[in-house]
Amino acid sequence: EPEVTQTPSHQVTQMGQEVILRCVPISNHLYFYWYRQILGQKVEFLVSFYNNEISEKSEIFDDQFSVERPDGSNFTLKIRSTKLEDSAMYFCASSEARRSSYEQYFGPGTRLTVT
Amino acid sequence: AQKITQTQPGMFVQEKEAVTLDCTYDTSDPSYGLFWYKQPSSGEMIFLIYQGSYDQQNATEGRYSLNFQKARKSANLVISASQLGDSAMYFCAMRDDGSGNTGKLIFGQGTTLQVKP
Repeated sequence: EPEVTQTPSHQVTQMGQEVILRCVPISNHLYFYWYRQILGQKVEFLVSFYNNEISEKSEIFDDQFSVERPDGSNFTLKIRSTKLEDSAMYFCASSEARRSSYEQYFGPGTRLTVT
Repeated sequence: AQKITQTQPGMFVQEKEAVTLDCTYDTSDPSYGLFWYKQPSSGEMIFLIYQGSYDQQNATEGRYSLNFQKARKSANLVISASQLGDSAMYFCAMRDDGSGNTGKLIFGQGTTLQVKP
């Protein structure tokens, strides 16, 4: 069964450093998403991406965040200057279509720890 | 605005018994989907079940069923014959199908289920 993959599984970084979280969505999917889950809390939407551009972003997704699909297979989330409060699990997801009847497949997540 | 509410932070159930996890939602879009995900301690999000707003029948997937009451805007998950491996966090989520929507999921706060032997 096709799956979404994410690397690394765990990233430790110092405050102020840049991090890039990588995702490989399912190959025929067109809609891509990043979500964040602070430990013990709910999963929060960050950004959606379609047709090589951001289609929606949440209030969390400020100027420190960016996404890109550099080569047609990878989908990356960059945090320019990490803060302690960026420590969370980051999930990538992809979907064949945006309608709710199409399942959104989640990757295993990257646990980001900012020290 | 979309909203998902799970009012049970934690639930206990005896092994082999059934348990219901509550979820209420709010949306102005007539077309939407409701989802339940399981998150074990390892952290991954596991899709369990989907219910479309126009589906006439309640969704079922093995031991999971969704008690969909559209007028009450509730989408409760029923797990029958609980197993020890069902111990996990469970999230209810919603996705609107309106023309301006991007397909994002909105999640509830989650319910931690513990199955007792």
